[in-house]
Amino acid sequence: SQTIHQWPATLVQPVGSPLSLECTVEGTSNPNLYWYRQAAGRGLQLLFYSVGIGQISSEVPQNLSASRPQDRQFILSSKKLLLSDSGFYLCAWSGGGGGSQPQHFGDGTRLSIL
Amino acid sequence: GQSLEQPSEVTAVEGAIVQINCTYQTSGFYGLSWYQQHDGGAPTFLSYNALDGLEETGRFSSFLSRSDSYGYLLLQELQMKDSASYFCASFSGNTGKLIFGQGTTLQVKP
Repeated sequence: SQTIHQWPATLVQPVGSPLSLECTVEGTSNPNLYWYRQAAGRGLQLLFYSVGIGQISSEVPQNLSASRPQDRQFILSSKKLLLSDSGFYLCAWSGGGGGSQPQHFGDGTRLSIL
Repeated sequence: GQSLEQPSEVTAVEGAIVQINCTYQTSGFYGLSWYQQHDGGAPTFLSYNALDGLEETGRFSSFLSRSDSYGYLLLQELQMKDSASYFCASFSGNTGKLIFGQGTTLQVKP
């Protein structure tokens, strides 16, 4: 069966520090991968999505970047964190290709910027 | 662009039936999905409607009317564990990307 792992679960970082959040998927090949951010009590905002290795699409201009160095690995990064980067970050995967396949989410990383 | 509107909060009693509505405006529509998220947890997929009509999965059903740009999630025989946030989401074109509504917080009371 397919599983998705996301870590760390919580993270407290000072303003201006770098960030690296990692997400890996097991049990499937060539998945579509997604990074979302969720503010408290709000919906999910799509940040990045990837349909293959090295293929990253950014949905909103921001202080973050994403990379997909391997088929089932998706990394969210920042060189210098801002206070506004605080939030709940969720990684998700769906079956490869286009269409309307459900997305499956990791447990999320709660990021607090001090 | 795309936007989805749903009520922010709904309250119901245990054992009752509740309906959570979702209206959408999309440029290219590929169906409506529903996700459940318990407080502090990850969203989990509930249902998907590509065509008009009702889809039933146990106590949960989802309905879509493409002509009305409207759908709803119906929860029957409510249980305390159903207290959670429920999100409708629409696919953005044929890319697999989802656009989410702001979520409806359902509170089930004894």
